Amino acid sequence: GNSVTQMEGPVTLSEEAFLTINCTYTATGYPSLFWYVQYPGEGLQLLLKATKADDKGSNKGFEATYRKETTSFHLEKGSVQVSDSAVYFCALRGSTGNQFYFGTGTSLTVIP
Amino acid sequence: EAGVAQSPRYKIIEKRQSVAFWCNPISGHATLYWYQQILGQGPKLLIQFQNNGVVDDSQLPKDRFSAERLKGVDSTLKIQPAKLEDSAVYLCASSLVSSAYNEQFFGPGTRLTVL
Repeated sequence: GNSVTQMEGPVTLSEEAFLTINCTYTATGYPSLFWYVQYPGEGLQLLLKATKADDKGSNKGFEATYRKETTSFHLEKGSVQVSDSAVYFCALRGSTGNQFYFGTGTSLTVIP
Repeated sequence: EAGVAQSPRYKIIEKRQSVAFWCNPISGHATLYWYQQILGQGPKLLIQFQNNGVVDDSQLPKDRFSAERLKGVDSTLKIQPAKLEDSAVYLCASSLVSSAYNEQFFGPGTRLTVL
């Protein structure tokens, strides 16, 4: 079946530090992969996506590369800001049907 | 473009009471999803509609939860009777079926507390 595993938090970083949030998946076929972000008090927002192997999704300085050989989609940012403090969810959409599968979320706090 | 609307934003009820949530998706979005997000967990799909038909309700506790999407636009999710473990945020999302990326757009959610 389809599932997503992401690193547990919470993660606390100083401003301008390098961020990595690990995400691995299990899926049949060729899923699409997503990172969603949930800022305090708000709903989930799509951060970036990749629909096939070796695709790199990027947005707001965040990047993630779809690695089929390691079944991973790790989120990275070279220099985090206080405003990046949020909960980050890795998700996949199966190759058949529209159902999304979400990880448990990783809370990030960036301190000045 | 208006986003996904949900109401109410917050609801507090006692166990065994009934509650209903409303969702208005983005105009033109054929697919509508209801998720349950328990504190500290990722969203879990409860039910998915394509227009006014149910595509997937395999994780919907049908003995107490029901949902409908009359006319393929607005949707309501009902819990009757509520249990303590139903305390969660209920998220509605919608997407364009024709979108190659099938991006989901989420509403702000309804936070339910069952006492």
